[in-house]
Amino acid sequence: DIQMTQSPSTLSASVGDRVTITCRASQSINSWLAWYQQKPGKAPKLLIYKASSLESGVPLRFSGSGSGTEFTLTISSLQPDDFATYYCQQYNSGLTFGGGTRVEIK
Amino acid sequence: QVQLQESGPGLVKPSQTLSLTCTVSGGSISSGTYYWSWIRQPAGKGLEWIGRINTSGSTNYNPSLKSRVTISLDTSKNQLSLKVSSVTAADTAVYYCAREERWEHSLDYWGQGTLVTVSS
Repeated sequence: DIQMTQSPSTLSASVGDRVTITCRASQSINSWLAWYQQKPGKAPKLLIYKASSLESGVPLRFSGSGSGTEFTLTISSLQPDDFATYYCQQYNSGLTFGGGTRVEIK
Repeated sequence: QVQLQESGPGLVKPSQTLSLTCTVSGGSISSGTYYWSWIRQPAGKGLEWIGRINTSGSTNYNPSLKSRVTISLDTSKNQLSLKVSSVTAADTAVYYCAREERWEHSLDYWGQGTLVTVSS
């Protein structure tokens, strides 16, 4: 099974900061990686698919990069609405999620 | 606009079978462009993929749950269903259904989730 490791598990940041979250796969997944944002009591929301493609309607401050085993999600200028938990998800023969990164107010 | 809505008992006794239904509106569950997945999330914890099904009825399951899980489609009702047998307290979670885009393998539409508690 492919394991997904996210870091950090918690990130403290201020509005306007550039934020980067990393996701590492235990083996190569090519570009089969998605990123989600989840707020308390809500379902996750798709932000990025195929490692770097922005889902329709998602603000341009979100971007994804990487391939193989290492991937990043970057928020170029953190906004108040972005304080949430972020998950990566890989596709191989099935799906696996990373453990999550909570972005909190500094 | 595609919408997914989970439904089912909120309380299940240990050793019994958990059964949930997801009703899809705004699109056909029979479209070959998508898979349909179930995901769960224990309180305060991360997301766990349970399994998925395509319109041909082919399924993939999380190896850790495979022996206890069955996912099926009812195309006449535009619904998918989940059954988890021999439940324990560890199966207590919010259960989500979601649509997986076949060529992108990302989950683009989600239900709001339904809490299932396993307790006697």
